[in-house]
Amino acid sequence: QKEVEQDPGPLSVPEGAIVSLNCTYSNSAFQYFMWYRQYSRKGPELLMYTYSSGNKEDGRFTAQVDKSSKYISLFIRDSQPSDSATYLCAMSEGYWNTGNQFYFGTGTSLTVIP
Amino acid sequence: GAVVSQHPSRVICKSGTSVKIECRSLDFQATTMFWYRQFPKQSLMLMATSNEGSKATYEQGVEKDKFLINHASLTLSTLTVTSAHPEDSSFYICSARDSILAGRATDTQYFGPGTRLTVL
Repeated sequence: QKEVEQDPGPLSVPEGAIVSLNCTYSNSAFQYFMWYRQYSRKGPELLMYTYSSGNKEDGRFTAQVDKSSKYISLFIRDSQPSDSATYLCAMSEGYWNTGNQFYFGTGTSLTVIP
Repeated sequence: GAVVSQHPSRVICKSGTSVKIECRSLDFQATTMFWYRQFPKQSLMLMATSNEGSKATYEQGVEKDKFLINHASLTLSTLTVTSAHPEDSSFYICSARDSILAGRATDTQYFGPGTRLTVL
């Protein structure tokens, strides 16, 4: 079983819609949960990170972690065409500067239609 | 499912030495692999695109002679940090593009778990 599972999509929504992106994982030791956005031919850009369970909000983006279900979500409100990209989840047992390895999902391709 | 491994997971070396990091696609063929560098709390910076059997394409600002990339087979790409210095200390991550999976063309990118390089 892979450490992290993510539906690759593609996902297509109209502008203004609420987008829900999800990942599931199997390692209960994961404590740090990240969401990246990647545009074509660019490196993944860190959007948000969460420690342990709970919600975190940043503008139109909300990250949720449910450790009991081993399930994380990223919600995008009032989606814009500029949100069209691939969204990757990533997880780690420890903080990134302590040498812990990262486990990425495969990414979900999102297109927001004007 | 597709898995990408990296070896070593962490390495500590002295300044001036060279370090080789391997990126392997374990159950699929990857004609294209990507090398990224991550600084703490920052995004992944694309360093280069590695194409099997040809020279790597480096992003602007990345020194080709310092970060040597070899993609000798469809399942292995290596990144060699030559004459490493403390400022090269970072987390290096590779990803592999699965060109063909189960007979279908797909453009999914699979990431390795990363290699922590510390240069003393």
